[in-house]
Amino acid sequence: AQKITQTQPGMFVQEKEAVTLDCTYDTSDPSYGLFWYKQPSSGEMIFLIYQGSYDQQNATEGRYSLNFQKARKSANLVISASQLGDSAMYFCAMRSSTGFQKLVFGTGTRLLVSP
Amino acid sequence: DTGVSQDPRHKITKRGQNVTFRCDPISEHNRLYWYRQTLGQGPEFLTYFQNEAQLEKSRLLSDRFSAERPKGSFSTLEIQRTEQGDSAMYLCASSGGGAEDTQYFGPGTRLTVL
Repeated sequence: AQKITQTQPGMFVQEKEAVTLDCTYDTSDPSYGLFWYKQPSSGEMIFLIYQGSYDQQNATEGRYSLNFQKARKSANLVISASQLGDSAMYFCAMRSSTGFQKLVFGTGTRLLVSP
Repeated sequence: DTGVSQDPRHKITKRGQNVTFRCDPISEHNRLYWYRQTLGQGPEFLTYFQNEAQLEKSRLLSDRFSAERPKGSFSTLEIQRTEQGDSAMYLCASSGGGAEDTQYFGPGTRLTVL
């Protein structure tokens, strides 16, 4: 079975600083994808970044980067130069590339960015 | 490019009533998913369609829940004889396949069962 663990219920960061949100995963599948989503108070899940298990390089999308350490089964999200609009819930998710299409989510981390 | 839309955005109902939610995916996406999210938790998978075929169903999807995607475009999720435990956000997502097959979510339908 697949499992995602996010151990930080809440994180605080000052505007313009960088922040790392932790995510560890557990799977026996040889091939899988890892995703990060942002959920503002409005409720919509917004896709941020994707990392494939066989990708050699860490994924980057603008101010978002994914620190992928396959041996440690971790996929931490790094947000550089935080903005007030980054305040939201952040969810790490996994999908197996063999068979089932469902995403398995962690419990999320609430990020608060202060001025 | 129109994103995933869901209707209604909010639904308040009394216990025992039936409710139906609609999801319109991104137009070129052939895959559609339903998830349920309760307070303080991440979304939990309910069911998955590829075109009109329902290919995966979670054990969370009890007999009171039914989902359809009759023409491979929009989908409906019906809950019969609602219970207070059904109160949650119901999220729909769609994807277009490929290596990443990223799922894009709609704004959700928040259900409150009184």
